[in-house]
Amino acid sequence: EPEVTQTPSHQVTQMGQEVILRCVPISNHLYFYWYRQILGQKVEFLVSFYNNEISEKSEIFDDQFSVERPDGSNFTLKIRSTKLEDSAMYFCASSGDSRNTIYFGEGSWLTVV
Amino acid sequence: AQSVTQLDSHVSVSEGTPVLLRCNYSSSYSPSLFWYVQHPNKGLQLLLKYTSAATLVKGINGFEAEFKKSETSFHLTKPSAHMSDAAEYFCVVSASYNTDKLIFGTGTRLQVFP
Repeated sequence: EPEVTQTPSHQVTQMGQEVILRCVPISNHLYFYWYRQILGQKVEFLVSFYNNEISEKSEIFDDQFSVERPDGSNFTLKIRSTKLEDSAMYFCASSGDSRNTIYFGEGSWLTVV
Repeated sequence: AQSVTQLDSHVSVSEGTPVLLRCNYSSSYSPSLFWYVQHPNKGLQLLLKYTSAATLVKGINGFEAEFKKSETSFHLTKPSAHMSDAAEYFCVVSASYNTDKLIFGTGTRLQVFP
């Protein structure tokens, strides 16, 4: 069964450093997403991306965050200058034409120290 | 605004007994509702989804959920629990009719005892 893959599975970074989380969505999917889950809290929406541009973003997704689809297969989330409160599990997801079934990856656990 | 409330943070059952995970939703329109499962160190896997077709939805691994508009509920059930069902379960609602943004509940941790 096709799946969304994410790298790294776990990253520890120092506060203020830039981080790039990588995702390979399911091939032929057109819609891409990032969600995050801070420990002990709900999974929350960050951003959706379609046709090479952001289609929707949450209040969390401020200027420190950016997304990119640098080639035909990868979808990345960049955090420019990490803060302690960015520590969370980040989930990449994708969906096809139906836009109703969203498939998630296994997550990238980011720890900011 | 759309929201979901998962009524139990933890549920414990014995293997072979029924499972009931409760979810109530709030929505100003006819919602799309989902159940996702997260096994330890794994991603979020879609169990089932409701999108205004049949009110009883069957999912993977023997799970099913019933959409009850009068009760604004979308409870997840399984007739007989298996040890491999132990995981975190999330009730999820679409944020609105014209977006694919999802809103997650707080999750219910299911423990299955032998």
